[in-house]
Amino acid sequence: KQEVTQIPAALSVPEGENLVLNCSFTDSAIYNLQWFRQDPGKGLTSLLLIQSSQREQTSGRLNASLDKSSGRSTLYIAASQPGDSATYLCAVRDPTGGAQKLVFGQGTRLTINP
Amino acid sequence: GAGVSQSPSNKVTEKGKDVELRCDPISGHTALYWYRQRLGQGLEFLIYFQGNSAPDKSGLPSDRFSAERTGESVSTLTIQRTQQEDSAVYLCASSKPGQGNTIYFGEGSWLTVV
Repeated sequence: KQEVTQIPAALSVPEGENLVLNCSFTDSAIYNLQWFRQDPGKGLTSLLLIQSSQREQTSGRLNASLDKSSGRSTLYIAASQPGDSATYLCAVRDPTGGAQKLVFGQGTRLTINP
Repeated sequence: GAGVSQSPSNKVTEKGKDVELRCDPISGHTALYWYRQRLGQGLEFLIYFQGNSAPDKSGLPSDRFSAERTGESVSTLTIQRTQQEDSAVYLCASSKPGQGNTIYFGEGSWLTVV
């Protein structure tokens, strides 16, 4: 059974710092991995999708990498801003659930201090 | 609309009553998902629809939960005889068919059972 773990559970850093959020998964046979952002009281916003054949994806100040063989992904946020404060979730899509289910981590709650 | 639309956004109901939650997916998205997120918890898969195929109901927690979808558009999630443990945000998501596509989430329906 696929399990997704995110470390740390919470992170607080001063504005302007570069930071890395970690995601690990137990079964490397995934189709893709998606990073989401969730603001308090809101739904999920898709940030980046990495296919299993890809190593990384970039969008603005965000860069996500994927090392499928080791079961790891990282989300790098450059020059962090207070508006980046949110919970960041990673999710994998894999064959064990019939490919239609995303398996989510518990999230990293990020706070950027002005 | 441009995104996944859910209604109601908030619902408070008395224990034992039935509730119906609605989801309008993004136009052209044949895949539709329902997830549940209890306070402070991760996302739990509930049900998946893909076109005219039989839905994957494997995540529904009990027979009090059911969902329908009209063709490739609107879906309703019905919870009968609500219990306090049903209090959660119910998130709907949609995507184009295939494992490689980004999944887009709605803002959620926040259900409180009192």
